[in-house]
Amino acid sequence: DQQVKQNSPSLSVQEGRISILNCDYTNSMFDYFLWYKKYPAEGPTFLISISSIKDKNEDGRFTVFLNKSAKHLSLHIVPSQPGDSAVYFCAASPDGGSNYKLTFGKGTLLTVNP
Amino acid sequence: GAVVSQHPSRVICKSGTSVKIECRSLDFQATTMFWYRQFPKKSLMLMATSNEGSKATYEQGVEKDKFLINHASLTLSTLTVTSAHPEDSSFYICSAASGGVDSGEQFFGPGTRLTVL
Repeated sequence: DQQVKQNSPSLSVQEGRISILNCDYTNSMFDYFLWYKKYPAEGPTFLISISSIKDKNEDGRFTVFLNKSAKHLSLHIVPSQPGDSAVYFCAASPDGGSNYKLTFGKGTLLTVNP
Repeated sequence: GAVVSQHPSRVICKSGTSVKIECRSLDFQATTMFWYRQFPKKSLMLMATSNEGSKATYEQGVEKDKFLINHASLTLSTLTVTSAHPEDSSFYICSAASGGVDSGEQFFGPGTRLTVL
């Protein structure tokens, strides 16, 4: 039973447009969420996070939105750039993130076309 | 879907002892396995990339003599933290890839929390 779901295995967008990556979770204990970016042949790198006390966190071109009632979060990238092409993993954690343990989604492959 | 297991899930040990963590791909053959270290609210840090039958490739700053990695079969990789010290306390996560490192698809294990007293 997947507790963190990324239902879109892939997404393709044009350069300059907005990329929206979605993530759903089922465990009500999760209260800290992270997005990771992974290039081929490299480990995932941390991108942005959000605590459940917030509904939005922004860092440059990246914004994460959290809808607790719907158990849904999304990552917006605007404007999208070809260098953003990578696999994006959504991850969730209980205990406000103080717990090391992360539950990951399966990832979404984003392709940004020039 | 592909399942990766880690054992143990949690270990507490005394300073100076060695701890072995196993990572297994349960329903596929993993040509490549990755070992990560995780700090609270921080990014996963890739420690090393392990290919079956060959020596692991360590990331810069990771002591290969401290963190011994063995990938003896297509379903098993082990990480041994030698002479563990409190600063080694962390969450260690492995992942496994079946379609080649460039496939982008990687399956993560549930992690092992190591506490060194």
